[in-house]
Amino acid sequence: KAGVTQTPRYLIKTRGQQVTLSCSPISGHRSVSWYQQTPGQGLQFLFEYFSETQRNKGNFPGRFSGRQFSNSRSEMNVSTLELGDSALYLCASSLGHRGQETQYFGPGTRLLVL
Amino acid sequence: QKEVEQNSGPLSVPEGAIASLNCTYSDRVSQSFFWYRQYSGKSPELIMSIYSNGDKEDGRFTAQLNKASQYVSLLIRDSQPSDSATYLCALLQGGSEKLVFGKGTKLTVNP
Repeated sequence: KAGVTQTPRYLIKTRGQQVTLSCSPISGHRSVSWYQQTPGQGLQFLFEYFSETQRNKGNFPGRFSGRQFSNSRSEMNVSTLELGDSALYLCASSLGHRGQETQYFGPGTRLLVL
Repeated sequence: QKEVEQNSGPLSVPEGAIASLNCTYSDRVSQSFFWYRQYSGKSPELIMSIYSNGDKEDGRFTAQLNKASQYVSLLIRDSQPSDSATYLCALLQGGSEKLVFGKGTKLTVNP
């Protein structure tokens, strides 16, 4: 079974721009979660989608948004980029049901904001 | 108190030794705990999940959970240089799909 895929793998943007990242979960997985990883803050939860609905949300500003499509693929959008948004963005998928919450990570998208 | 605390290390052990990684947490509601391994420049890779008090073994890895003491550990037996990585302890926040991670412990296994 193919793993979680993320595109693009690397991205360079400038302050004020916006960016969209994409994540395709493992086949059959309906839950997609997004995380931001920085050296200072570690791995932090952004949000989770299940069946096209945002089910959980972390403590990030409204500039960070996401959505999920009917095929469970998910996108994350960051508007008005700031230097501090430079990070590794990871998505993880799981079956999403109680007792089946083990999350598997994709390779990540490394975003650099200049 | 941070939700998940790990000793940041670095932890250095000789090849063939047992590496012991520890994690404490504050959320008493959490029922699901995970250990991930992350090589430099790569994404986290699941090593083990543990849900019940006691030990769970998988090959050279043993996870231990003590909910009363709010403590999770990972033992790596016969450590190999390829085990050198950052080990992340995580818990599933009660009632959600939100994984809360510790800052990770960097392990170096010396040949």
